[in-house]
Amino acid sequence: NAGVTQTPKFQVLKTGQSMTLQCAQDMNHEYMSWYRQDPGMGLRLIHYSVGAGITDQGEVPNGYNVSRSTTEDFPLRLLSAAPSQTSVYFCASSPLQSSIQTQYFGPGTRLLVL
Amino acid sequence: AQKVTQAQTEISVVEKEDVTLDCVYETRDTTYYLFWYKQPPSGELVFLIRRNSFDEQNEISGRYSWNFQKSTSSFNFTITASQVVDSAVYFCALRSMEYGNKLVFGAGTILRVKS
Repeated sequence: NAGVTQTPKFQVLKTGQSMTLQCAQDMNHEYMSWYRQDPGMGLRLIHYSVGAGITDQGEVPNGYNVSRSTTEDFPLRLLSAAPSQTSVYFCASSPLQSSIQTQYFGPGTRLLVL
Repeated sequence: AQKVTQAQTEISVVEKEDVTLDCVYETRDTTYYLFWYKQPPSGELVFLIRRNSFDEQNEISGRYSWNFQKSTSSFNFTITASQVVDSAVYFCALRSMEYGNKLVFGAGTILRVKS
């Protein structure tokens, strides 16, 4: 199993550009989520999904869209990038949304918006 | 109020010293789970431990140990005889029904172990 994979590893964008951060998992996990990591703030939840076709907002959803057409994939879209979206983005998955479940994280995508 | 508080922003120790990373959490649930993750300089997040709210036994894994005290809502992490390879950011996290079973992180503690 590859676990949770993310692409790209690093990306530079200009303000106003759009892009999609890819996330995939091969563990047949129902629950997937996106976090952003900023210095001194830990990881904050952007969006999450409890299964194909179902998504919901987390703590900091503004400026981001998600969709979940398959169990495996959970892409994160930036429609119009802003410098405030410069961050490290992590995708995570767990078998279910239950609190007992451990979330496993992808390697992260470092995004710089100029 | 912070749901998970890691009051130590940064700790520096010399190799072979013991070090404790503090974690204090808030939840009204009686059933919840606490986690520790390690983020080494390479950037990935590595799962270290999960503890449920009904198990207050301390846990030891090699040089790592965890002290869970419900009375003080704390889940502290101790590294014994620290090594340079322990240098990382350590995150404590909480998952409970109160927060929709979403993983809630503390701000993290940067641990620097000097040789």
